[in-house]
Amino acid sequence: DQQVKQNSPSLSVQEGRISILNCDYTNSMFDYFLWYKKYPAEGPTFLISISSIKDKNEDGRFTVFLNKSAKHLSLHIVPSQPGDSAVYFCAASVRVNNDMRFGAGTRLTVKP
Amino acid sequence: ETGVTQSPTHLIKTRGQQVTLRCSSQSGHNTVSWYQQALGQGPQFIFQYYREEENGRGNFPPRFSGLQFPNYSSELNVNALELDDSALYLCASQISGGGDTQYFGPGTRLTVL
Repeated sequence: DQQVKQNSPSLSVQEGRISILNCDYTNSMFDYFLWYKKYPAEGPTFLISISSIKDKNEDGRFTVFLNKSAKHLSLHIVPSQPGDSAVYFCAASVRVNNDMRFGAGTRLTVKP
Repeated sequence: ETGVTQSPTHLIKTRGQQVTLRCSSQSGHNTVSWYQQALGQGPQFIFQYYREEENGRGNFPPRFSGLQFPNYSSELNVNALELDDSALYLCASQISGGGDTQYFGPGTRLTVL
């Protein structure tokens, strides 16, 4: 069963504009959410995380929003840069467990 | 501080063979998790090792097994390889036994013919 879903396989935005990547989950026990970025031939790189006790977390150009009632989280990148072009994975876990579930990824392309 | 490293980078095996993949965790990290990433999908959790003991397992058959050594490095062993085992195998390390951010290695690309 796919407990974490990223319904957009790809997203293309212009440099300088906002990129919004979306993620939905079904397991209400998830209490820790992460975004990873992956370049070709590299492992996923941790980007930003959020605990279920918060609804927003910012780190520079990256902000993650969590809507627990809708079981939805999103990653905002402002302003987008060509170097942000990569596959972005949403992940979720129950912190007392070790089974981190990933979405299928969204390929972001930022055009100069 | 060195990051997570994995070996080999690529591997080709035939159906029915056995394979061992290796992972060195990031300095100071005592927990290692293994993931399988099939083409076009996100990583799927195989299992985690904490202080040399299995500490959680995903939905993978027993022919997927692992070890963690006293220096926290780890091995993933897969017996009786099947064509569907072809994937990128990722290792991730973290500081504690669960619930903290995991840091990934570059992966081992396994092809089963």
